[in-house]
Amino acid sequence: SQQGEEDPQALSIQEGENATMNCSYKTSINNLQWYRQNSGRGLVHLILIRSNEREKHSGRLRVTLDTSKKSSSLLITASRAADTASYFCATVRGDSWGKLQFGAGTQVVVTP
Amino acid sequence: DVKVTQSSRYLVKRTGEKVFLECVQDMDHENMFWYRQDPGLGLRLIYFSYDVKMKEKGDIPEGYSVSREKKERFSLILESASTNQTSMYLCASSSYRLAGYEQYFGPGTRLTVT
Repeated sequence: SQQGEEDPQALSIQEGENATMNCSYKTSINNLQWYRQNSGRGLVHLILIRSNEREKHSGRLRVTLDTSKKSSSLLITASRAADTASYFCATVRGDSWGKLQFGAGTQVVVTP
Repeated sequence: DVKVTQSSRYLVKRTGEKVFLECVQDMDHENMFWYRQDPGLGLRLIYFSYDVKMKEKGDIPEGYSVSREKKERFSLILESASTNQTSMYLCASSSYRLAGYEQYFGPGTRLTVT
């Protein structure tokens, strides 16, 4: 079963707007990661937040983590057409040899 | 920059053929992974390897095998390809030296079995 589930499944916004997507998970985690996938390509690691962190920033990205609700959100501020991609959350379990559990992803389309 | 390469971007094979997908990483990572990605299902782990000659089944190993004879190379083998193995295949690597075990992905191989 999917450990991470993203919401919404799809998001369409205009350039300059903010994009927010959410991820929920079921079991305790070591950390949670967000990845981006451009159409037909491999995934690229964006940002990682550890279980003892509540918020993290990287450029135009802001990630929050609420372990009590088992949820995370990814905010992309001032979106650009180049942000058009699918975004996945992934969780690492402490006993997993670094295995990740991915959600089904949120497809984001940014129109100029 | 970490680089993970996959032998083919696109591959078309016939039912029953034996198919080899190759993955090479250049960062001396211990862990390597094979996933398949299908619309609406996200990424599903087929096999992973945490050391040379070591392998473990993932969530969907049926119909697949793997080989890791050298640290930098991890091969996925479809012993007898079937149409339900038409998919995007993604290879990734990571290291215990990366505190968060973030994974580095190859560009993917889109396999069509006819």
